[in-house]
Amino acid sequence: AQSVSQHNHHVILSEAASLELGCNYSYGGTVNLFWYVQYPGQHLQLLLKYFSGDPLVKGIKGFEAEFIKSKFSFNLRKPSVQWSDTAEYFCAVKGNQAGTALIFGKGTTLSVSS
Amino acid sequence: EAGVAQSPRYKIIEKRQSVAFWCNPISGHATLYWYQQILGQGPKLLIQFQNNGVVDDSQLPKDRFSAERLKGVDSTLKIQPAKLEDSAVYLCASSSGQITYEQYFGPGTRLTVT
Repeated sequence: AQSVSQHNHHVILSEAASLELGCNYSYGGTVNLFWYVQYPGQHLQLLLKYFSGDPLVKGIKGFEAEFIKSKFSFNLRKPSVQWSDTAEYFCAVKGNQAGTALIFGKGTTLSVSS
Repeated sequence: EAGVAQSPRYKIIEKRQSVAFWCNPISGHATLYWYQQILGQGPKLLIQFQNNGVVDDSQLPKDRFSAERLKGVDSTLKIQPAKLEDSAVYLCASSSGQITYEQYFGPGTRLTVT
């Protein structure tokens, strides 16, 4: 079955600490991969995406993610978090064909203390 | 550019009552999605429209849920009759296309069934 697994439910960091959020997926075929973020009181918005090419993708606000096909992983990283990064982060996967659904993980809540 | 609009933002109903949600996508976006997000989980696709045709409704509980997108613009999602387990946030999203296009999410409607 197609699924996305996010390893951490809640991560607590101090400002300037490094961040890595794990994401593994189970999906047959070519995939597109996404990280979405939901800041408190705001809409879900796209942080970054991978469709093809360089497996290291850079997104907004200094975030990056690396697609490792052999490990079915798409981990999110940021070298130095800020208090404003406090949010819920969702990993999602989609097949590379029209009509395939975007499948989300359960999300990881990141709390950054100043 | 105006975002995806949804109404109402909050709704409280009793079980066995009916409820309807409205979504207005970003202008020009041909693809529209309805998601259900239960507390502690990621969004789950209920139905996807391409213009006014249904692309995927495999996870829509058709005995009680219905959705339409007349004229390929606005969409409504209806639940009749509601059950306690329908309590969730209902998200609408839209995109320019189906494969490599970003989905833009609305603020959601938080439904509580008592």
